[in-house]
Amino acid sequence: QQQVKQSPQSLIVQKGGISIINCAYENTAFDYFPWYQQFPGKGPALLIAIRPDVSEKKEGRFTISFNKSAKQFSLHIMDSQPGDSATYFCAASYGQNFVFGPGTRLSVLP
Amino acid sequence: GAGVSQSPRYKVTKRGQDVALRCDPISGHVSLYWYRQALGQGPEFLTYFNYEAQQDKSGLPNDRFSAERPEGSISTLTIQRTEQRDSAMYRCASSRTVGLNTGELFFGEGSRLTVL
Repeated sequence: QQQVKQSPQSLIVQKGGISIINCAYENTAFDYFPWYQQFPGKGPALLIAIRPDVSEKKEGRFTISFNKSAKQFSLHIMDSQPGDSATYFCAASYGQNFVFGPGTRLSVLP
Repeated sequence: GAGVSQSPRYKVTKRGQDVALRCDPISGHVSLYWYRQALGQGPEFLTYFNYEAQQDKSGLPNDRFSAERPEGSISTLTIQRTEQRDSAMYRCASSRTVGLNTGELFFGEGSRLTVL
């Protein structure tokens, strides 16, 4: 019940394309869903987050779509750029309990 | 400091030795978390503190692992009698607040442990 599933494991997108990463959770107690971006040699850094009272949140080229009934959420990166190449982790949280997905390695080709 | 600082960044040790990994959180952050991250995997929870109190240590793999944060700031994760399976990246994170709306975790760059 604590697991967060994430797919795909890796993703290759052309510059200007749309990158989509999907996550699913089981525990309905989760009430905060952040996405973290990690560059090689660095720690994960918060990219964008959503709470379940809304179905979508957009910040620049990054959008989270949230489906509470399906217990799924996804990250969309519009107009993907080579600088977006990184590993992306979804997470689910309640209180101070954070559970991370296994990560998606995104490569954006120039 | 400006961010979460971890030391050492790299540690190579022989099986059976004890190691201590240090984390200095962002100034004023009350919560401190330890995670372990295997290559190609997401961070796996080990333990966390609010101020100096250890709130949850359910993620510590066994009793060779311990952590402390005696003054509510710097924390040390200690692994006794290291084994090869302990080799991993150990990450520390801190957050401003506690409780129901903890929000963002700020991660350090990690300490990579290799046990020979």
